[in-house]
Amino acid sequence: AQSVTQLDSHVSVSEGTPVLLRCNYSSSYSPSLFWYVQHPNKGLQLLLKYTSAATLVKGINGFEAEFKKSETSFHLTKPSAHMSDAAEYFCVVNPTSGTYKYIFGTGTRLKVLA
Amino acid sequence: ETGVTQSPTHLIKTRGQQVTLRCSSQSGHNTVSWYQQALGQGPQFIFQYYREEENGRGNFPPRFSGLQFPNYSSELNVNALELDDSALYLCASSPGGGNEQYFGPGTRLTVT
Repeated sequence: AQSVTQLDSHVSVSEGTPVLLRCNYSSSYSPSLFWYVQHPNKGLQLLLKYTSAATLVKGINGFEAEFKKSETSFHLTKPSAHMSDAAEYFCVVNPTSGTYKYIFGTGTRLKVLA
Repeated sequence: ETGVTQSPTHLIKTRGQQVTLRCSSQSGHNTVSWYQQALGQGPQFIFQYYREEENGRGNFPPRFSGLQFPNYSSELNVNALELDDSALYLCASSPGGGNEQYFGPGTRLTVT
């Protein structure tokens, strides 16, 4: 069965320091993988996506993620955290090409300390 | 370009009642998916509509039903509401042949 595991439910970083949000996936096929961000009382915004092209994916707001098939991981990183990055982040797998039946992780709440 | 919109923003219903939530897809998108996000959880896939036909369903009972209209807007209907139906309901639209989904702001349903 396809699934996605976010390894940390909460992450705290100081402003200006690097961010690492961890995600592992399980899929029988070559999946599409996404990271979405959800600010309080807002909908989900797409940060970046991996669809079997380059393994290092650059997204919006300075975020990037690296697809590592051998480790079944798709960790999200940012070199320098900003206060506005504080939000809930979801790793998502779309296990079947041509459909949109997203499977979400349980989320990681990122806190940025001044 | 107008994004995905949902109405109403908030809704309070009583157990046993019925509710209809609405979603307008982004221009040019022919696929709409609905998700339920309980407090502190990730969204769970309810079902998807493609060109007015249901195109996949998650692990939700039949009292969750939907419609998609010729303009690709969509409704989610929930009958016989239960307390556990309290959640944020998210609608997402996708372009034909595309892979990413674009989410609306959601409707927060409270069942008392």
